[in-house]
Amino acid sequence: AQKITQTQPGMFVQEKEAVTLDCTYDTSDQSYGLFWYKQPSSGEMIFLIYQGSYDEQNATEGRYSLNFQKARKSANLVISASQLGDSAMYFCAMIWIRTRKLIWGLGTSLAVNP
Amino acid sequence: DVKVTQSSRYLVKRTGEKVFLECVQDMDHENMFWYRQDPGLGLRLIYFSYDVKMKEKGDIPEGYSVSREKKERFSLILESASTNQTSMYLCASSLLQDSYNSPLHFGNGTRLTVT
Repeated sequence: AQKITQTQPGMFVQEKEAVTLDCTYDTSDQSYGLFWYKQPSSGEMIFLIYQGSYDEQNATEGRYSLNFQKARKSANLVISASQLGDSAMYFCAMIWIRTRKLIWGLGTSLAVNP
Repeated sequence: DVKVTQSSRYLVKRTGEKVFLECVQDMDHENMFWYRQDPGLGLRLIYFSYDVKMKEKGDIPEGYSVSREKKERFSLILESASTNQTSMYLCASSLLQDSYNSPLHFGNGTRLTVT
């Protein structure tokens, strides 16, 4: 069955440090994409980064990078130089290119301490 | 920037009422979606639409219907609200029907309480 798992319900990080949020997935398909979204307490889900299964290089967007390990079926989000405004829920999502079906992990709550 | 606007931030309705949740996007996106978000269950897709007057059931359509009369507007309707429909409702849009890597753009959500 296709599944996305975020094993860390909650994480703490010190301001200015880097943090890795885990995401593993289970699929037998070869064509898929992985998204990360951020949801602050205001409620709006904000797109952060995308990685396609055939992309050879790890995706990066500013302070966000995706550590994509296809053989291990993991797509961890790395946030460098954490800021107080990074405190939020973070969701990993996976889309199957063949069906366009998108499924979501349950999220990781990140708290950045000053 | 794309703006997705949900008409209400908080809504309190009584059991049995007909409830309309409105969503408008301003970037000419083809695809629009309605999700509900519950603790421990994550985001679950209720309905989506790839074009005007088109709708497709998501994973949990029971008890809901939708309307898309104009490209920019996607309405979620609870025909007869029940307490188990108390939830956060998120509307989203994305650019192209066939583009699998187009990210979703979300509204701020409507927190609906049914008493």
